[in-house]
Amino acid sequence: AQSVTQLDSQVPVFEEAPVELRCNYSSSVSVYLFWYVQYPNQGLQLLLKYLSGSTLVESINGFEAEFNKSQTSFHLRKPSVHISDTAEYFCAVTRRYGGSQGNLIFGKGTKLSVKP
Amino acid sequence: GAGVSQSPSNKVTEKGKDVELRCDPISGHTALYWYRQSLGQGLEFLIYFQGNSAPDKSGLPSDRFSAERTGGSVSTLTIQRTQQEDSAVYLCASGPKENTEAFFGQGTRLTVV
Repeated sequence: AQSVTQLDSQVPVFEEAPVELRCNYSSSVSVYLFWYVQYPNQGLQLLLKYLSGSTLVESINGFEAEFNKSQTSFHLRKPSVHISDTAEYFCAVTRRYGGSQGNLIFGKGTKLSVKP
Repeated sequence: GAGVSQSPSNKVTEKGKDVELRCDPISGHTALYWYRQSLGQGLEFLIYFQGNSAPDKSGLPSDRFSAERTGGSVSTLTIQRTQQEDSAVYLCASGPKENTEAFFGQGTRLTVV
């Protein structure tokens, strides 16, 4: 079975500072990886995904994540955060080939709080 | 519709009553997921459908919880004899196929009093 660990439950940071939200996964098989974002009082939105190809994936709002197979990590980074990035971020994993195990497993989330 | 639709958006029920939560997935999506989100608990996986069958029911907390999906589309999550610990936001998501990304609805906030 797959599992996801988000090492930080809360990350406070000042506006325009860089940020890294950490995600490690565990799986005995190949996986796909995702980051979702949940803004206050809103639903979950897909931020970015790694399916294949380049291990560095980017979102339209400046976030990027790098798949590192040897370290089983998929950390999310942004070089300069804005107040509007304040949200909860969830890392998720699914098997590349599912059969009866196609479910999407989430970490417990990291609350990013950007302060002026 | 354009996105995943869940109804009702809010539900307040008395302890011991049964509730039904509905999910309309994105048209054509074959994978459908139910999760529960409680304060400080992240997303708890409940059940996953591929078409009308549920390959993975491992997350259902007890036999009071059940779910079905008909016509490869609408899904209903039923909670019988609700308890206060069932209070949470129930999220539904659908995906174009299994083993890929999923798109979430806005959720149903269930409060058991």
